[in-house]
Amino acid sequence: DTGVSQNPRHKITKRGQNVTFRCDPISEHNRLYWYRQTLGQGPEFLTYFQNEAQLEKSRLLSDRFSAERPKGSFSTLEIQRTEQGDSAMYLCASSATRTESARAEQYFGPGTRLTVT
Amino acid sequence: RKEVEQDPGPFNVPEGATVAFNCTYSNSASQSFFWYRQDCRKEPKLLMSVYSSGNEDGRFTAQLNRASQYISLLIRDSKLSDSATYLCVVNTGGFKTIFGAGTRLFVKA
Repeated sequence: DTGVSQNPRHKITKRGQNVTFRCDPISEHNRLYWYRQTLGQGPEFLTYFQNEAQLEKSRLLSDRFSAERPKGSFSTLEIQRTEQGDSAMYLCASSATRTESARAEQYFGPGTRLTVT
Repeated sequence: RKEVEQDPGPFNVPEGATVAFNCTYSNSASQSFFWYRQDCRKEPKLLMSVYSSGNEDGRFTAQLNRASQYISLLIRDSKLSDSATYLCVVNTGGFKTIFGAGTRLFVKA
């Protein structure tokens, strides 16, 4: 399967702990996005990478959140000092640079469901 | 006001019915528009792009009205398998993609 993969699929952690999620995009895609989705809502944009450069970061991404894409391939999203409000599905998506309209033709991974107790 | 707004539904329709969803966006500079489909507990998947001239893909028709700042999705001859949440997506030309909260559709036999 050459789609977007995410690990782990589920994570349960206690409040105050740090967690890290990984995303492996489709191999030829240079754009990578992170989103957060809660029940009954659409995905909320968190951050965007083009190759290894983090080009945009949402105001939703507090200082406790950090994302990296060190070699322009896989990406990690770390949440420090987790809070119960961080419980959500964290989705990763990737896309290729082909045409202007292709910017938002994103392919999503299955997500990592985080539960903070 | 939300940047992208959708009627959450749910829309309950019988098989074979025609159903339409609208989505409004607030940023007049928005450049790209899409409909994604999300099944329960699954990731979103691209359904179709929305072009200025309108476009059709089988039973699905998407239209864009820039003057009124809305996009629409029409589904003809609904199938049970069309039951899902339909997400309206807007890109303002930067890298930030705005998703609506989604419209839930239930197609019943």
